[in-house]
Amino acid sequence: GNSVTQMEGPVTLSEEAFLTINCTYTATGYPSLFWYVQYPGEGLQLLLKATKADDKGSNKGFEATYRKETTSFHLEKGSVQVSDSAVYFCAFNTNAGKSTFGDGTTLTVKP
Amino acid sequence: DVKVTQSSRYLVKRTGEKVFLECVQDMDHENMFWYRQDPGLGLRLIYFSYDVKMKEKGDIPEGYSVSREKKERFSLILESASTNQTSMYLCATSVRSGSSYNEQFFGPGTRLTVL
Repeated sequence: GNSVTQMEGPVTLSEEAFLTINCTYTATGYPSLFWYVQYPGEGLQLLLKATKADDKGSNKGFEATYRKETTSFHLEKGSVQVSDSAVYFCAFNTNAGKSTFGDGTTLTVKP
Repeated sequence: DVKVTQSSRYLVKRTGEKVFLECVQDMDHENMFWYRQDPGLGLRLIYFSYDVKMKEKGDIPEGYSVSREKKERFSLILESASTNQTSMYLCATSVRSGSSYNEQFFGPGTRLTVL
């Protein structure tokens, strides 16, 4: 069945460190892929997305590339800030418009 | 900007009570969703609606029902609340056309505690 596996957390980094959060998926067909971010006390919001193979989504210094051959969509940022502390969710859509989410990875950035 | 609002941020109810959680959106989106979020379990879909009066069960519908009488409003109902329904409940919406490409827009969540 459909599933998303993302790197277990929590992840703790120092400010300006490099971030990678791994995400792989199992799905039929070629789904659109998403990263959502959830700041403390808030709902999820879209961080970036990619709708076809080799597409790169980017926003706020974060990037992720849709790799069909490895069914992956790893999130990266070259230099994290304290304000990036949040929970990050990898997800994909099925044709019906429903989404399958990973379990979330909690990131804490220390000054 | 899409705005998705939920009727309460925090709610405390007693076991056996009937509980209503309301979600309202202002962007004319066809699709609406109810999730629950629990530590270590991510988001799990309870129910989904793609049009007025239409609903589909998600992955964990047991103990819940929904109502969508108007396009902008999607209600989640706990018929008889139980302690294992203590959770964060998130409402989301999306555009139906080209659904597989569209992101979801989330409300701020309702943290429900059942005593």
